[in-house]
Amino acid sequence: EDKVVQSPLSLVVHEGDTVTLNCSYEVTNFRSLLWYKQEKKAPTFLFMLTSSGIEKKSGRLSSILDKKELFSILNITATQTGDSAIYLCALRINTGKLIFGQGTTLQVKP
Amino acid sequence: SAVISQKPSRDICQRGTSLTIQCQVDSQVTMMFWYRQQPGQSLTLIATANQGSEATYESGFVIDKFPISRPNLTFSTLTVSNMSPEDSSIYLCSVEGSGQGYEKLFFGSGTQLSVL
Repeated sequence: EDKVVQSPLSLVVHEGDTVTLNCSYEVTNFRSLLWYKQEKKAPTFLFMLTSSGIEKKSGRLSSILDKKELFSILNITATQTGDSAIYLCALRINTGKLIFGQGTTLQVKP
Repeated sequence: SAVISQKPSRDICQRGTSLTIQCQVDSQVTMMFWYRQQPGQSLTLIATANQGSEATYESGFVIDKFPISRPNLTFSTLTVSNMSPEDSSIYLCSVEGSGQGYEKLFFGSGTQLSVL
């Protein structure tokens, strides 16, 4: 069965800290791996990764995919209170649907 | 990215009633997806709605409980029928991006449903 596992499930840090969120998967074939940030109801898109070893960056956030070891990480440097959210990892499989991990709840304290 | 309008934003409903959630996209899209997020849980796909054909439901979800309409390429509705407290969740519609961004899925603003 296709599976996406995120760790840790929750994390509390202080402003300025750097965090690394993990996403491992057991999916035979997939089209892409996506990261989302969910603050209230709607997940907002962060990154899409398709190739191994190529880092995607957007400001303080970056992400990379390792298809050999079957995982992806999302890094956030110099965290701010506005980074507090649930971070979701999802795999888009060949049928087009997304399979989501459980999410990591990040709380950034002032 | 697509602009997706979803309504209602939230509702409180009585057990046994039904609620229809609407999703309007600002561009034509082939596939629309409906997700459910139960409290403290991640997102689970309910069904995929294609224009001109029956929706495809995931295991554990049936058409009688979650009927879906897809009358055109910019609009879809999901009805939660004969509601029980277990249906209390966030419901989200999702569409693919346009052009080269088609692999990215974007989400509507979500509907927070509470069933008493």
